[in-house]
Amino acid sequence: AQSVAQPEDQVNVAEGNPLTVKCTYSVSGNPYLFWYVQYPNRGLQFLLKYITGDNLVKGSYGFEAEFNKSQTSFHLKKPSALVSDSALYFCAVRDSSASKIIFGSGTRLSIRP
Amino acid sequence: DTGVSQNPRHKITKRGQNVTFRCDPISEHNRLYWYRQTLGQGPEFLTYFQNEAQLEKSRLLSDRFSAERPKGSFSTLEIQRTEQGDSAMYLCASSLIVHGSTEAFFGQGTRLTVV
Repeated sequence: AQSVAQPEDQVNVAEGNPLTVKCTYSVSGNPYLFWYVQYPNRGLQFLLKYITGDNLVKGSYGFEAEFNKSQTSFHLKKPSALVSDSALYFCAVRDSSASKIIFGSGTRLSIRP
Repeated sequence: DTGVSQNPRHKITKRGQNVTFRCDPISEHNRLYWYRQTLGQGPEFLTYFQNEAQLEKSRLLSDRFSAERPKGSFSTLEIQRTEQGDSAMYLCASSLIVHGSTEAFFGQGTRLTVV
């Protein structure tokens, strides 16, 4: 069975500092991994994905994520946080058998000025 | 607007009533998902379609819930005999699955309040 874990309910970072939001996953086959962001009263917006290839993937708004197969992780990163990055972030996974997408419980990112 | 469209955006209903939500996916997307999200939680998978075929339905979904995608385009989600525990945001997403995977694009959701 597929599963996703986001171990931190909340991450607090000062503006301008680097940020990391953690995600680990479990699938039976090869993983397809995604990050989404949700602003208040808005739908989920796609940030980036890992399908195959380079372990470091770049996405929207300066975010990037690193796929680590041995640690089954897909952590979201940004070199310099902005106050406008404050939102709810969800990691998601689908295995290569093309089944459903499973989401983590979310991490609330708070960037202080 | 060529994104995923959901209607209505908000629905207030009395306990015991039936409700139906509609989702119009991005044109030519062959996969359509339904999720449920409660405040501060991650989206919970309900069901998904590949074209008009419903391929999986969550075991958490009671028999009061049913979804259709009759022509492989728009989809409806019906909840019969609503209960207060059904109050949540219902999200629809679509994607194009050809070779490998693409991301799913989400609609704004339908917020259901059962009173």
